[in-house]
Amino acid sequence: ILNVEQSPQSLHVQEGDSTNFTCSFPSSNFYALHWYRWETAKSPEALFVMTLNGDEKKKGRISATLNTKEGYSYLYIKGSQPEDSATYLCAFIIDGNQFYFGTGTSLTVIP
Amino acid sequence: KAGVTQTPRYLIKTRGQQVTLSCSPISGHRSVSWYQQTPGQGLQFLFEYFSETQRNKGNFPGRFSGRQFSNSRSEMNVSTLELGDSALYLCASSSSGQGYEQFFGPGTRLTVL
Repeated sequence: ILNVEQSPQSLHVQEGDSTNFTCSFPSSNFYALHWYRWETAKSPEALFVMTLNGDEKKKGRISATLNTKEGYSYLYIKGSQPEDSATYLCAFIIDGNQFYFGTGTSLTVIP
Repeated sequence: KAGVTQTPRYLIKTRGQQVTLSCSPISGHRSVSWYQQTPGQGLQFLFEYFSETQRNKGNFPGRFSGRQFSNSRSEMNVSTLELGDSALYLCASSSSGQGYEQFFGPGTRLTVL
């Protein structure tokens, strides 16, 4: 069983603050790393698909980096807005299309 | 394109019964994966089907099984239900390649009494 850890487990920030979360995963058998956003009463939606060491992806105010050699990925949110409130999941994928999800970071942005 | 659909959305069963959940993927997607989410746990990978074949399997007992039809629709079956099987079951579809982003359905909330 592979261990994918996310920290912190939950986070409360003020509107306008920037924040970041961590996803740690095994550094062997890496195939891809995904980030998903899961809003309450909705389905998880993909934010980023990352495959190469050193990858940096950006979508609006949200960005992510990947270090496969040391087994971690960071997700950054700049200038948090209330609509960013959600659980952010990372998924570690090994060869064979097996997805291992972390337990997520629950973000609450306080207006 | 229509999204991933799952039926039923909610289900209540009693211990010992069996249940079948259904998932229709996005048109053109040939990979369907199933996940279980229980309180305090992340999404736990159950299995993945591709072109009617189980391609990958997670660490779940044999009571959990699935299949995929030629139109890529998938069903998941749980036999001899236990209280601990109460969970949200999500299915996700993706393009044929490995490591492609998953498109999730709304889930089926199963309660076992």
